[in-house]
Amino acid sequence: GNSVTQMEGPVTLSEEAFLTINCTYTATGYPSLFWYVQYPGEGLQLLLKATKADDKGSNKGFEATYRKETTSFHLEKGSVQVSDSAVYFCALSDPTPNANSGGSNYKLTFGKGTLLTVNP
Amino acid sequence: DAGVIQSPRHEVTEMGQEVTLRCKPISGHDYLFWYRQTMMRGLELLIYFNNNVPIDDSGMPEDRFSAKMPNASFSTLKIQPSEPRDSAVYFCASSFKVWNYGYTFGSGTRLTVV
Repeated sequence: GNSVTQMEGPVTLSEEAFLTINCTYTATGYPSLFWYVQYPGEGLQLLLKATKADDKGSNKGFEATYRKETTSFHLEKGSVQVSDSAVYFCALSDPTPNANSGGSNYKLTFGKGTLLTVNP
Repeated sequence: DAGVIQSPRHEVTEMGQEVTLRCKPISGHDYLFWYRQTMMRGLELLIYFNNNVPIDDSGMPEDRFSAKMPNASFSTLKIQPSEPRDSAVYFCASSFKVWNYGYTFGSGTRLTVV
């Protein structure tokens, strides 16, 4: 089945350092790819997404490019801040056939999450 | 939009008691998901609905867990009887066109069973 593998961390950086969190996936079809962020005590929030090959998702200084040839969607930020400390989840959309409707149902398959701590 | 609303935010109950968690999805969303998050097992999908119909409940840990979606604006997750190992944060998420928009998560219910 479909799966997402991301570096588990924890990752500890100093403020203004460069961030990379690796994410690779296995998919039978052509998934959309997502990064979610979870701040302490909160739910997951969509950070960015890409729906086709070579698309670059970006938000709040974070970027990730959908690389079909390497099945990767690595998250990067040029200069992290203390406020970026959170858990980051990579995810892919995962269609499964609906026997009743003949169409597909969709859900997200998540990686295990990467804890990022940024020190001042 | 107020987003996905979950209640209660925190629940402390004694082992053996019934617990009901509630979720109001975003209006117009046709998918609803229930997740459980723990340090040991991470984020687990319990069940999801499409147009109020349960599509996949294979993640529900055992018969003590049940979920309903009586209409497009409300869902419940019930645990009866509760056990200490059910202690976790339970998230509800809703979506429209998952493949394009992903999910919107609620703030979660932190359940503690003592």
